[in-house]
Amino acid sequence: KAGVTQTPRYLIKTRGQQVTLSCSPISGHRSVSWYQQTPGQGLQFLFEYFSETQRNKGNFPGRFSGRQFSNSRSEMNVSTLELGDSALYLCASSFKGPWGEQYFGPGTRLTVT
Amino acid sequence: DQQVKQNSPSLSVQEGRISILNCDYTNSMFDYFLWYKKYPAEGPTFLISISSIKDKNEDGRFTVFLNKSAKHLSLHIVPSQPGDSAVYFCAASDGSSNTGKLIFGQGTTLQVKP
Repeated sequence: KAGVTQTPRYLIKTRGQQVTLSCSPISGHRSVSWYQQTPGQGLQFLFEYFSETQRNKGNFPGRFSGRQFSNSRSEMNVSTLELGDSALYLCASSFKGPWGEQYFGPGTRLTVT
Repeated sequence: DQQVKQNSPSLSVQEGRISILNCDYTNSMFDYFLWYKKYPAEGPTFLISISSIKDKNEDGRFTVFLNKSAKHLSLHIVPSQPGDSAVYFCAASDGSSNTGKLIFGQGTTLQVKP
């Protein structure tokens, strides 16, 4: 079974631009969660989608948004990029929720200059 | 407000010895706990989990202990191997929320010396 894939793997943007990251979950998984990892902060929850509906959202500004398509693929968008948005963005999929464990993709390394 | 804390940023252990990684949490609504391992340039991979109805769960060399009264869990790796060198994250969820939200600690970097 193919794992979670994320594209692109690396991205360099300048302040003020916007960016869209993509995540393809494991086949059959309907839950997709997004996390931001920065040094010293661990992984911070951004939002989770299940069957195209956002079920939960973390404490991030409205510049961070996402969506899920009918095939469970998900995208997250960050508008008006700031230097502090530089991070590793991880996507995870699971069949229904965290109690069945989540499977992570390799992440997208975003650098904002 | 850090609801899940891993107070040791790093741990160094000799090969063959026991590695003990600790994690504390503050939210009494958490009822499911997981440990993930992360190598550089890869996403975290699931290691082991425990439900709040248990106090111990074992899987091969990995054992997780949960002390609900102390709001503390630990991961024991016995015996430790050099390939175990990685960053370990503990995570918690509130199952009643029925969402895919995990709260992660900051991570502990484990180095196992040959």
